[in-house]
Amino acid sequence: QKEVEQNSGPLSVPEGAIASLNCTYSDRVSQSFFWYRQYSGKSPELIMSIYSNGDKEDGRFTAQLNKASQYVSLLIRDSQPSDSATYLCAVNLQGAQKLVFGQGTRLTINP
Amino acid sequence: NAGVTQTPKFQVLKTGQSMTLQCAQDMNHNSMYWYRQDPGMGLRLIYYSASEGTTDKGEVPNGYNVSRLNKREFSLRLESAAPSQTSVYFCASSALRSLDYNEQFFGPGTRLTVL
Repeated sequence: QKEVEQNSGPLSVPEGAIASLNCTYSDRVSQSFFWYRQYSGKSPELIMSIYSNGDKEDGRFTAQLNKASQYVSLLIRDSQPSDSATYLCAVNLQGAQKLVFGQGTRLTINP
Repeated sequence: NAGVTQTPKFQVLKTGQSMTLQCAQDMNHNSMYWYRQDPGMGLRLIYYSASEGTTDKGEVPNGYNVSRLNKREFSLRLESAAPSQTSVYFCASSALRSLDYNEQFFGPGTRLTVL
């Protein structure tokens, strides 16, 4: 089992709808979780960090964490064509000084 | 602030040649990381330096060496390049204020081709 798993997609969502991206992880005691956005040919950009169970909102983005079920998700409300990118989930294994990344989900927002 | 910078942006090598990828950050971060990204493989950690003066292997260290020159700079060296090292290389840095606070910020990347 991979340490961090994401559906590779592509995920296609109409403009204005909610895009939902999911990530599961295997290390039960992981404490911190991150979402990165990566446009084609560019470097990953940190968009959300979440450390506690529940929801964390930042503008159109909401991160959701459920440690009991070992999943973290990212919701993008009012999706825009500029949201089309690959979204990477990353998990900081407890006690480790490094992140483990999922393979990413490619999201396409259709006008 | 420039954030994390990497040089060069592009490089073509022949098999067996050597080169050093440079990375610098101006955010006063403690930790620095080198990743490679290949299609279908995601981001894989090559080496990291949790603090100045320390380096540790990541998931795919074979064929690479690193040097943490000072708090700002972390270089990655390919001693004898192989076609399997064709990839995009990213450097990242983190304040790493605690073991679980590891928000990493990435440089623009180096696209390396080994012929």
